[in-house]
Amino acid sequence: QKEVEQNSGPLSVPEGAIASLNCTYSDRGSQSFFWYRQYSGKSPELIMFIYSNGDKEDGRFTAQLNKASQYVSLLIRDSQPSDSATYLCAASGDQLIWGAGTKLIIKP
Amino acid sequence: NAGVTQTPKFQVLKTGQSMTLQCAQDMNHNSMYWYRQDPGMGLRLIYYSASEGTTDKGEVPNGYNVSRLNKREFSLRLESAAPSQTSVYFCASSLPGLAGEHRTQYFGPGTRLLVL
Repeated sequence: QKEVEQNSGPLSVPEGAIASLNCTYSDRGSQSFFWYRQYSGKSPELIMFIYSNGDKEDGRFTAQLNKASQYVSLLIRDSQPSDSATYLCAASGDQLIWGAGTKLIIKP
Repeated sequence: NAGVTQTPKFQVLKTGQSMTLQCAQDMNHNSMYWYRQDPGMGLRLIYYSASEGTTDKGEVPNGYNVSRLNKREFSLRLESAAPSQTSVYFCASSLPGLAGEHRTQYFGPGTRLLVL
């Protein structure tokens, strides 16, 4: 069965530090990968997607993809309390395959 | 541009009752999806519609039916609600994918369903 795995957390990070969120996937055929943020009681919203090996940066967020290791990560620089949320990783397959999410807490 | 809208926002049902969850999108997307989200389990796909006139089962279709009414609207029906269907239901839409890739999915605000 195709799976996406994430540490459920919570991951606690001091304000201003770098938060590192990780995700592994089982389907070597997955081509594209997505990071969504979900605040408590709200719907998921896209942070960024990545298709190619290497890094992709968007503001304070950097997604990293290593297809050989089947590993995707999201780095959040200068973490803010407003970054506290659950972060969902998804990989493409016949449909998107979703991880269960990592809860991130940014401590002021 | 409202994006993806869902109604109702919250619903309480008794076991055996039926209801329909409504979803509409104004982004001219071809593909639409229904997910359920339970604590600690992430998003699980119930049904999807790749285009108007087509629907397909996802990971957890039992107990549900869907209708793709037109390009904008995709409804989810519970014919005989059970307590195991207590969950948060999200509708999403996207452009069609290319060769297995999937474009970004955009989510509605969700419907919180409690079945007693």
